[in-house]
Amino acid sequence: LAKTTQPISMDSYEGQEVNITCSHNNIATNDYITWYQQFPSQGPRFIIQGYKTKVTNEVASLFIPADRKSSTLSLPRVSLSDTAVYYCLVGAPGGATNKLIFGTGTLLAVQP
Amino acid sequence: ETGVTQTPRHLVMGMTNKKSLKCEQHLGHNAMYWYKQSAKKPLELMFVYSLEERVENNSVPSRFSPECPNSSHLFLHLHTLQPEDSALYLCASSQERSGSYGYTFGSGTRLTVV
Repeated sequence: LAKTTQPISMDSYEGQEVNITCSHNNIATNDYITWYQQFPSQGPRFIIQGYKTKVTNEVASLFIPADRKSSTLSLPRVSLSDTAVYYCLVGAPGGATNKLIFGTGTLLAVQP
Repeated sequence: ETGVTQTPRHLVMGMTNKKSLKCEQHLGHNAMYWYKQSAKKPLELMFVYSLEERVENNSVPSRFSPECPNSSHLFLHLHTLQPEDSALYLCASSQERSGSYGYTFGSGTRLTVV
């Protein structure tokens, strides 16, 4: 079971770039890395997914080193509305249904 | 709107009541899930349905009873709940049962048991 470890909380200011790192030392060959964002009293929202190297979309970038034992979610120029909990998950298609476990996530607080 | 619709958004019920939560998705996904999120706790996976068959039941008390009549609809029937069952109940769907390609969550039902 690929357990993930993230910082419990991070602080930032508007306009800054924020990098949240997730450790997944036991990641398996077939596992993908997925990041979600959750606002209070809402369901988590898919942000980005990757397998290796770098993935970028309109919201964020995901950096994955060659050993894949960690990943970094990069949020460019954050705003107050980016204040949320961010979760890192690791799992493989066709894998165990209970492998995708949401941990406590990282609470990002963006200040003006 | 995420494509996964949950009703009602808020529900207050007594411990002797019977109520049901509804979830609907028209994303063409083959798997649906119920999660529970209590205050300041991680999401807890309750049930997983894949192609309308229950494939996961994570030691959930029998006062919670899921039903999946087809691949687009999922229900959670509630009866004789306890105050500690008050939480945000989230429904999600995905392309396949492991959810590895990504979950799509609904907005949740905020349940208060009095």
